Amino acid sequence: EVQLLESGGGLVQPGGSLRLSCVASGFTFTNYAMSWVRQAPGEGLEWVSAITSSGGNTYYGNSVKGRFVISRDNSKNTLYLRMDGLTVDDTAVYHCVRDPEGDAWFDPWGQGTLVTVSS
Amino acid sequence: QSALTQPRSVSGSPGQSVTISCTGTSSDVGGYKFVSWYQQRPGKVPKLMIYDVSKRPSGVPDRFYGSKSGNTASLTISGLQAEDEADYYCSSYAGSYSILFGGGTKLTVL
Repeated sequence: EVQLLESGGGLVQPGGSLRLSCVASGFTFTNYAMSWVRQAPGEGLEWVSAITSSGGNTYYGNSVKGRFVISRDNSKNTLYLRMDGLTVDDTAVYHCVRDPEGDAWFDPWGQGTLVTVSS
Repeated sequence: QSALTQPRSVSGSPGQSVTISCTGTSSDVGGYKFVSWYQQRPGKVPKLMIYDVSKRPSGVPDRFYGSKSGNTASLTISGLQAEDEADYYCSSYAGSYSILFGGGTKLTVL
């Protein structure tokens, strides 16, 4: 069974940092591009960042560019999201998602990890 | 880049059909075949229902149909069932590996 398990969320003060992790299982992680998608409480979905299967190329949404860094360790089947300069607008559940064909559609979705930015 | 435009809500009775629209621009929906749709039931994670405009993943009923005309994509659900009640989100590739989502549509089965 394909599974994505996120961790690393929590409460952080504005301006703080956090690193999210996503452990993948049930598929050959090295073959797939991956992304992070977030959902603020009661709000819609927002694509955050993507990384190619090799990790050689990374992409970011305008709202996080320059503050977030996506990376992966294919030897550990793990995807990461380093988040710096956090603001209250970054408060959301962060989902790890697989991009099966590099065509910008996502399946499956992890359960997500909640990041709360508050003083 | 602005989010794609979806109606806030739609509704229909069991057995009826409903269509949810997703309007973008020639730089996203109109420019690529990479439109997808997700179903999110309360308290659950989004589930892929349609990809590449009109393709259905294995296990998704053929009551779900995706299409596109110009800058507007649509999701049609026929033979509405109570279990279809959920939020639906569209998504589109928008060039330079950026991805836009719609604001979401709440489907109510009356």
